[in-house]
Amino acid sequence: AQSVTQLGSHVSVSEGALVLLRCNYSSSVPPYLFWYVQYPNQGLQLLLKYTSAATLVKGINGFEAEFKKSETSFHLTKPSAHMSDAAEYFCAVSVGGGADGLTFGKGTHLIIQP
Amino acid sequence: KAGVTQTPRYLIKTRGQQVTLSCSPISGHRSVSWYQQTPGQGLQFLFEYFSETQRNKGNFPGRFSGRQFSNSRSEMNVSTLELGDSALYLCASSLGAPRTEAFFGQGTRLTVV
Repeated sequence: AQSVTQLGSHVSVSEGALVLLRCNYSSSVPPYLFWYVQYPNQGLQLLLKYTSAATLVKGINGFEAEFKKSETSFHLTKPSAHMSDAAEYFCAVSVGGGADGLTFGKGTHLIIQP
Repeated sequence: KAGVTQTPRYLIKTRGQQVTLSCSPISGHRSVSWYQQTPGQGLQFLFEYFSETQRNKGNFPGRFSGRQFSNSRSEMNVSTLELGDSALYLCASSLGAPRTEAFFGQGTRLTVV
């Protein structure tokens, strides 16, 4: 069985500050990991994915994440927060690597303070 | 290239009724998955269809069912609706192969009264 834990249901940062959203996973097999963003009343948009290639993954909108097997972590970062980054962020793990059976974390609501 | 289309966007149903939700995947995608999103339980996987066959299933009661047509469009049905079925239902499509990504629709907001 696999699971995802996102630390912090709400994270608040100032505009221009570093964004760090934490994700730890549990999987009995090598995982495929994803970060998705959800804006109000919208579906999920893929930010980035780890599929066993490079451990540092770059995504859209300046986000990146680093896969650390020893820490079973896949934290999401962005050097400088922008007001438009305010949204709900979900970390997800998949055994199959695609849309089949994604297990999501509870989500982290990112608040950007002016 | 058109994205994943879910219809309708909003639905209000009464307890005990049944409902059918529709999802049209991205052209060329053969895998369609369904997820339920609620404030309490978060995002939960319902089931996945690939080439008209259910390939994977989450932990939901039999009242939740789905199917996929030859053109990859999918429908999800919930029978004997309960208040707790009120949720955002999201559909995702992908090529269905490992290391491919899922593209989500905007969802159908179901309210059961």
